[in-house]
Amino acid sequence: DAKTTQPNSMESNEEEPVHLPCNHSTISGTDYIHWYRQLPSQGPEYVIHGLTSNVNNRMASLAIAEDRKSSTLILHRATLRDAAVYYCILRDRTQGGSEKLVFGKGTKLTVNP
Amino acid sequence: GAVVSQHPSRVICKSGTSVKIECRSLDFQATTMFWYRQFPKQSLMLMATSNEGSKATYEQGVEKDKFLINHASLTLSTLTVTSAHPEDSSFYICSARFGNTIYFGEGSWLTVV
Repeated sequence: DAKTTQPNSMESNEEEPVHLPCNHSTISGTDYIHWYRQLPSQGPEYVIHGLTSNVNNRMASLAIAEDRKSSTLILHRATLRDAAVYYCILRDRTQGGSEKLVFGKGTKLTVNP
Repeated sequence: GAVVSQHPSRVICKSGTSVKIECRSLDFQATTMFWYRQFPKQSLMLMATSNEGSKATYEQGVEKDKFLINHASLTLSTLTVTSAHPEDSSFYICSARFGNTIYFGEGSWLTVV
């Protein structure tokens, strides 16, 4: 499985931007980069995904390095509700065309009021 | 986004009994669903891939006779923990793919006493 490396934890202040880094040096050409977040006692929530180009949606932006070996999830204005564990995942294509997500340890984001 | 629902959200069972957890895709059909387990303060661990109309594919180290998976329809997969023991107490989460994105259920807490 292609692996990702993220810092164990990060801290931010409310209403400030947050940049969550992820390294994935063994990414293959067809791997998508997915970001999920998980609040306590809840299932993971989809945040964003991309392949090569930077992506924006209502929740966040995803900046992907030109060599695709790293990416950064950007929360433009952190709120207390953004406090969660953020997972950067490379989508793993299994045999037969189905796909599974393999989770690493993620980054625990703390947002200070 | 697409909705994946799990039931029950919490269940307590006696040691030695079996318990069933349901995972439904509410507004889409899912030929493939995934089951994860998560212990406190740990990441999600993929247990198995559930395939509609065929046998599930289990990850290495997961006992298929203990964790029975049935995916009898395009909107329902069930996980049955047989002969449950206290060490099976965990947070069980399912997911399903809709388009290019995988969505997760809310999770089911299992406590075996």
